[in-house]
Amino acid sequence: AQKITQTQPGMFVQEKEAVTLDCTYDTSDPSYGLFWYKQPSSGEMIFLIYQGSYDQQNATEGRYSLNFQKARKSANLVISASQLGDSAMYFCAMREGRTGNQFYFGTGTSLTVIP
Amino acid sequence: GAVVSQHPSWVICKSGTSVKIECRSLDFQATTMFWYRQFPKQSLMLMATSNEGSKATYEQGVEKDKFLINHASLTLSTLTVTSAHPEDSSFYICSARDTTGGIYEQYFGPGTRLTVT
Repeated sequence: AQKITQTQPGMFVQEKEAVTLDCTYDTSDPSYGLFWYKQPSSGEMIFLIYQGSYDQQNATEGRYSLNFQKARKSANLVISASQLGDSAMYFCAMREGRTGNQFYFGTGTSLTVIP
Repeated sequence: GAVVSQHPSWVICKSGTSVKIECRSLDFQATTMFWYRQFPKQSLMLMATSNEGSKATYEQGVEKDKFLINHASLTLSTLTVTSAHPEDSSFYICSARDTTGGIYEQYFGPGTRLTVT
């Protein structure tokens, strides 16, 4: 089974609107971390936000928030007030265990912000 | 935040030659670094885990004799693509693990675009 599933290959959002990028995960490890990265056309992976499996509150970082629903094993990224510079690929990733090495990446979602 | 650099950022080489890509952690020590490969419009695929002072651990299906990894210091890991062929053309990204933080964050380098002609 896929460790990370991103079902939206492409998304469009109007500038200044909010958008949700979906991510579901699969693990039997009670301790894990969930990450979202942005990859613009330059290729660099930019860390956006992190959610630990034991964190009680949803993570937020500026315009980014993570809608963590543990029972559903989902970790959707919400981008508020979209900007043109948000157009990029977005990858959800998971690391199993607190000190686990390997990151499992989803297939990514291409977000296009429309002016 | 922590910074990881890669050099070169892009390289074009002829088929049959070898290419070395460097990955450096600039402001932290990284006992573990990771090498990923990304084809156009696809996700990152972990190739190998590089441990300082020991042999790299390769993922299944990755040829260790073709993709040589050396992690000689706590701030430098190198990936050498030997006898490169056009099918090796890809985007190679490294990441370094900072164990001083609470979440064992991985920081990614900017990537190296390899084109083999």
